Amino acid sequence: DTEVTQTPKHLVMGMTNKKSLKCEQHMGHRAMYWYKQKAKKPPELMFVYSYEKLSINESVPSRFSPECPNSSLLNLHLHALQPEDSALYLCASSQQDRGSFGETQYFGPGTRLLVL
Amino acid sequence: AQKITQTQPGMFVQEKEAVTLDCTYDTSDQSYGLFWYKQPSSGEMIFLIYQGSYDEQNATEGRYSLNFQKARKSANLVISASQLGDSAMYFCAMREAVYTNFGNEKLTFGTGTRLTIIP
Repeated sequence: DTEVTQTPKHLVMGMTNKKSLKCEQHMGHRAMYWYKQKAKKPPELMFVYSYEKLSINESVPSRFSPECPNSSLLNLHLHALQPEDSALYLCASSQQDRGSFGETQYFGPGTRLLVL
Repeated sequence: AQKITQTQPGMFVQEKEAVTLDCTYDTSDQSYGLFWYKQPSSGEMIFLIYQGSYDEQNATEGRYSLNFQKARKSANLVISASQLGDSAMYFCAMREAVYTNFGNEKLTFGTGTRLTIIP
């Protein structure tokens, strides 16, 4: 089973709202990722968690706050977002086999976020 | 400089024909991995095929094969006998050796090719 689930599927929020995106995997993967994808563009890496520790933050604004409560769960907390943050947010996971270039990232279906 | 270049923004192909999606890459690493993903309009990125830089054989997965030409730094995806369900965005991606405390996690994507299969 290579399933990564994400909730919610769609989210509409105002600029003063606080919301959270949730990602879950039960494949025993130890690396989890958040990507942001604007329309007609490739995904852009935001954060990487390895063994529940933040290992990469691609200079993401602080209004995005990631959290990895355990090895199966990844959250993205959203606060005071801007309309330009509207995008598809994709979560992915991978085994985290150090030195393996064939390690595949498996993606969830994404959350379509609209900031008004 | 672009690390992954996909020069075909869009392609139209007749059903049942074979199609080749182009991908060239740029890296100074000797060790790297190349991936192809499919993204239907629903949004999910679906892993299709992987090629390692040291793999001597071209990768194949069912109707998908990867035409790997290392000297030319190209990793084209070939889809045989195309089907209507193949209509989607296709991304080429590369994993390089980015050394962090935990390993190599960064995946760089190309700009994608939108493939439309015509009945």
